Amino acid sequence: DTGVSQDPRHKITKRGQNVTFRCDPISEHNRLYWYRQTLGQGPEFLTYFQNEAQLEKSRLLSDRFSAERPKGSFSTLEIQRTEQGDSAMYLCASSAGNVYNEQFFGPGTRLTVL
Amino acid sequence: RKEVEQDPGPFNVPEGATVAFNCTYSNSASQSFFWYRQDCRKEPKLLMSVYSSGNEDGRFTAQLNRASQYISLLIRDSKLSDSATYLCVVNIGSSASKIIFGSGTRLSIRP
Repeated sequence: DTGVSQDPRHKITKRGQNVTFRCDPISEHNRLYWYRQTLGQGPEFLTYFQNEAQLEKSRLLSDRFSAERPKGSFSTLEIQRTEQGDSAMYLCASSAGNVYNEQFFGPGTRLTVL
Repeated sequence: RKEVEQDPGPFNVPEGATVAFNCTYSNSASQSFFWYRQDCRKEPKLLMSVYSSGNEDGRFTAQLNRASQYISLLIRDSKLSDSATYLCVVNIGSSASKIIFGSGTRLSIRP
C-alpha cells in the first residue's frame, strides 16, 4: 500500500498524559499536513511541513502541541498534558506540491482523553 | 460569515435520483477548489478537483462560478454507495493554512 499511513489508529489516554502520533506520507510527496477533526465538522488545519521545514502553524496549535519531520519523510505530532478537549480525530495528509496541490489523507488517529 | 459554507443536509434521496450540492466561499481571491468524500469514521478521500471550465468524472460533475463565489457538485443516477458526507475545500490563499474545509453535506441514498 503506497498511501498515507498513520499510527496508532486509536489511542485512549488519561488526562495529563503525553501522546505521540506518527504519519508516513506518500513517498514522493514533499508536503505534509496535520489536521484535527471533531464530529460534524470538517478538518481544521494544525500545521504544515515542506520537506523537513515546518512552515506554518495554526493558532489552534497550543504550546502543548509539537510536530516534527526530522528527515523530510515521516512526521510525528506530540500532545503534552492532554486535556479532554483534545479528543478528536487527528488526520495527516500529504501532497506533491503541484499546481492543484491535491492532498491525500491517511486513515487518522482517533484520540480519546478520559 | 464562514469562509466556506455548505448546507449540512442531510439530503435523503432515492436511488437513481440526481442530487446537487452547493458550496459558497467568501474570498474572491480563492485559487483552487476540491470536493472530498468522507464515509463515517473514515478519512476524507479526494473525489475531484474543480477546474475553472468545470469538469466531469462519470456520474459526477463539478462546476465553479467565480462571479457568485460558489462551487457545485452534481451526482447523477445516484447509487446506495454514494451515501457519505461531501466536503467542499477551498484554497483561499497561497499558504497551507488557507486551505479551508467546509463542514460537509450529508447524503443518504435510500433503496
